[in-house]
Amino acid sequence: GAGVSQSPRYKVTKRGQDVALRCDPISGHVSLYWYRQALGQGPEFLTYFNYEAQQDKSGLPNDRFSAERPEGSISTLTIQRTEQRDSAMYRCASSGTDTEAFFGQGTRLTVV
Amino acid sequence: AQTVTQSQPEMSVQEAETVTLSCTYDTSESDYYLFWYKQPPSRQMILVIRQEAYKQQNATENRFSVNFQKAAKSFSLKISDSQLGDAAMYFCAYRTNDYKLSFGAGTTVTVRA
Repeated sequence: GAGVSQSPRYKVTKRGQDVALRCDPISGHVSLYWYRQALGQGPEFLTYFNYEAQQDKSGLPNDRFSAERPEGSISTLTIQRTEQRDSAMYRCASSGTDTEAFFGQGTRLTVV
Repeated sequence: AQTVTQSQPEMSVQEAETVTLSCTYDTSESDYYLFWYKQPPSRQMILVIRQEAYKQQNATENRFSVNFQKAAKSFSLKISDSQLGDAAMYFCAYRTNDYKLSFGAGTTVTVRA
């Protein structure tokens, strides 16, 4: 595609439910990043991949959060047993080997 | 660990004037990339300018320029001839050779008409 695509754009879920957020990066981009951003704050690093390998997951808040990129393209961020504190904008970005990161529009998650 | 610090939570500038946003970073790497991103109220993330650490020349993009001081680990953004459309949150970002990308907390720029 022409840009990074994230789905869904908005997700409202009940506390305790699992959610899966999808990111479709720019074709051919090696690196894929997941960030969480609260209103008025900077993007908080969660995890990133080079190809299918998860290089760093140190930003994942706890073991309810996981991410995968099995074929080195589309990635899924999964949050199990959601809590209200998980409510935020979740952003995905991708980059080539010598380019800046391009961001998707984000998924706004609300846990009620 | 790499950290990016933006010490100015908010900056205000008169239309047509110049404003400078500061950014410092901590790293032991010699090769890396630095970026400034703009986030308007729409909450898109838009690249403003990039700088490769191996280049001594400061990057410039139209009214946007940087002052890159490698030894001081400083990377400030200057916005010249500020326009109302420049009002946004600006984020400084650092990327290592293994592609990990880290952001500062952001600076909100307000442009006064």
